[in-house]
Amino acid sequence: EVQLVESGGGLVQPGGSLRLSCAASGFTFTSYWMTWVRQAPGKGLEWVANIDSDGTEKYYVDSLKGQFTISRDNAKNALFLQINSLRAEDTAVYYCARAAAPGTVDYWGQGTLVTVSS
Amino acid sequence: DVVMTQSPLSLPVALGQPASISCRSSQSLVHGGGDTYLNWFQQRPGQSPRRLIYKVSNRDSGVPDRFSGSGSGTDFTLKISRVEAEDVGVYYCMQGTHLPWTFGQGTKVEIK
Repeated sequence: EVQLVESGGGLVQPGGSLRLSCAASGFTFTSYWMTWVRQAPGKGLEWVANIDSDGTEKYYVDSLKGQFTISRDNAKNALFLQINSLRAEDTAVYYCARAAAPGTVDYWGQGTLVTVSS
Repeated sequence: DVVMTQSPLSLPVALGQPASISCRSSQSLVHGGGDTYLNWFQQRPGQSPRRLIYKVSNRDSGVPDRFSGSGSGTDFTLKISRVEAEDVGVYYCMQGTHLPWTFGQGTKVEIK
């Protein structure tokens, strides 16, 4: 069974940093691109970033480039999202998802909530 | 960026009745390789999104056959043939043809 379990969220002050993690199991992690999607409270879904299967190709939504860094550790079946210079508008549930094929994601984690507030 | 526009944003439907959600893109979603990467996701209250449909009309395993997707180019539709109570939630279209991937605003389906 495919499982994606996010962790690392919490309350952080404006200007702070967080590193989100996603533990993957139940599939061959090294064969799949992975994705981060976020959802602000009561709002819609926003794609954040993709990373290819070996971590060499990375794509970000333009507005978040430089602030967000996606990475992975294939030896540990783990996906990461480093977020710096956090602002109130970054408050959201962050989901990791598996990109099963070009242009889509098939499995989602349960999400981890990041709250940016003083 | 490709803008995805869903309508309606709110859809009250009586149990057993059909429902239809439209999704329009600001540019063609036909990829150079010929595929069209248009997806539909369902998000039930308090849950993570779940993919229902990929590449316009391919239903995921375990998705009831009352859900169907259709369309081409810039105009797409998700249909529920007979709405059941478990279908309550927000439905999103998402294009994966162009970077950045973009989602529609979401359509909230509720029971009338």
